[in-house]
Amino acid sequence: QKEVEQNSGPLSVPEGAIASLNCTYSDRVSQSFFWYRQYSGKSPELIMSIYSNGDKEDGRFTAQLNKASQYVSLLIRDSQPSDSATYLCAVGPGKLIFGQGTELSVKP
Amino acid sequence: DAGVTQSPTHLIKTRGQQVTLRCSPKSGHDTVSWYQQALGQGPQFIFQYYEEEERQRGNFPDRFSGHQFPNYSSELNVNALWLGDSALYLCASSLWGVDEQYFGPGTRLTVT
Repeated sequence: QKEVEQNSGPLSVPEGAIASLNCTYSDRVSQSFFWYRQYSGKSPELIMSIYSNGDKEDGRFTAQLNKASQYVSLLIRDSQPSDSATYLCAVGPGKLIFGQGTELSVKP
Repeated sequence: DAGVTQSPTHLIKTRGQQVTLRCSPKSGHDTVSWYQQALGQGPQFIFQYYEEEERQRGNFPDRFSGHQFPNYSSELNVNALWLGDSALYLCASSLWGVDEQYFGPGTRLTVT
């Protein structure tokens, strides 16, 4: 059974700080890795995808992948109250296996 | 550029009834996947359709079935509804062979 694990949180950070979200996965043959943001009562929104080891940056977001450690993370720099949401880690290929999500709260 | 659309937005059904949910993928996409998201949990994969065929299926009973039409839109059918089927049902569209999936707004199903 393929598994994706995330700390459920809540993770609370002050405005302007760096938020660090972590995810581990069990299936070594996983090839694609995604971070989705889900606001309360809304559907998940794709914010980052990463396919190879290392870092990928997009604006204030950086995804990091370490396939040897089966670990993927998301850093959010200069966190804003509007970043408060649940962040879902998902692993592919094909059908996506999701973690349970980490709730992030950014305090003004 | 139209995104993924789903209908209806909300639905209330009684135990034992049947329900049909609908999804239209994002323009240019040809693959539709369905997920079930219970409150406080991550989405769980139900099945995926491409070229009008079910290509992958998750750990869901046969009460869950689907269909894809020639215009790539899709339906999810659930028979003999249980209370435990109450959830947010999400449709995700993608291009076959490309893993990035984009979700629609979802259908909130409540079974009483």
